[in-house]
Amino acid sequence: QKEVEQNSGPLSVPEGAIASLNCTYSDRGSQSFFWYRQYSGKSPELIMFIYSNGDKEDGRFTAQLNKASQYVSLLIRDSQPSDSATYLCAVYAGNNRKLIWGLGTSLAVNP
Amino acid sequence: ETGVTQTPRHLVMGMTNKKSLKCEQHLGHNAMYWYKQSAKKPLELMFVYNFKEQTENNSVPSRFSPECPNSSHLFLHLHTLQPEDSALYLCASSQDRGVPGNTIYFGEGSWLTVV
Repeated sequence: QKEVEQNSGPLSVPEGAIASLNCTYSDRGSQSFFWYRQYSGKSPELIMFIYSNGDKEDGRFTAQLNKASQYVSLLIRDSQPSDSATYLCAVYAGNNRKLIWGLGTSLAVNP
Repeated sequence: ETGVTQTPRHLVMGMTNKKSLKCEQHLGHNAMYWYKQSAKKPLELMFVYNFKEQTENNSVPSRFSPECPNSSHLFLHLHTLQPEDSALYLCASSQDRGVPGNTIYFGEGSWLTVV
């Protein structure tokens, strides 16, 4: 089992819809969770992070964490074509003090 | 502009060449990293420096040689690379190393092609 798993996509949504991106992880001791966005040919940029169970909102983005089920998701409301990118999930595994990365989910928002 | 600057942005080198990648961070961070990003693979952590001391070397071949003269600068010296080393090399920094919630900020990356 991969340590951090994401559906590679592509996930295609129409403009204005809600895009839902999911990430599961294997280490129950994981402590913090990050979402990065990476445009084609560019480097990853941080969107948001979450530590506690529940939801965290920042503008059109909401991160949801469920430690019991070992998943973290990212919701993008009112999706825009400019949101088209690959979204990387990263999980901080506290026991070995490493940041583990998923492969990323490719999102396409269609006008 | 993320506060982490990498040069060159693109590099083409022969297998017998020696070249270096340079990274500078203006964020006052204590930790710096080199990552490798290849198609269809997760980000691979290569090296970690914390307070300019190397704290991790993730079984990286010796043809990659890092150097960290101070907490703001990081180099990756390249020598006798192989075509499979062609990838995007990302420099990153964070306030500290190994702290939960420690956010990593990436530079724009150096695209390396080995011919």
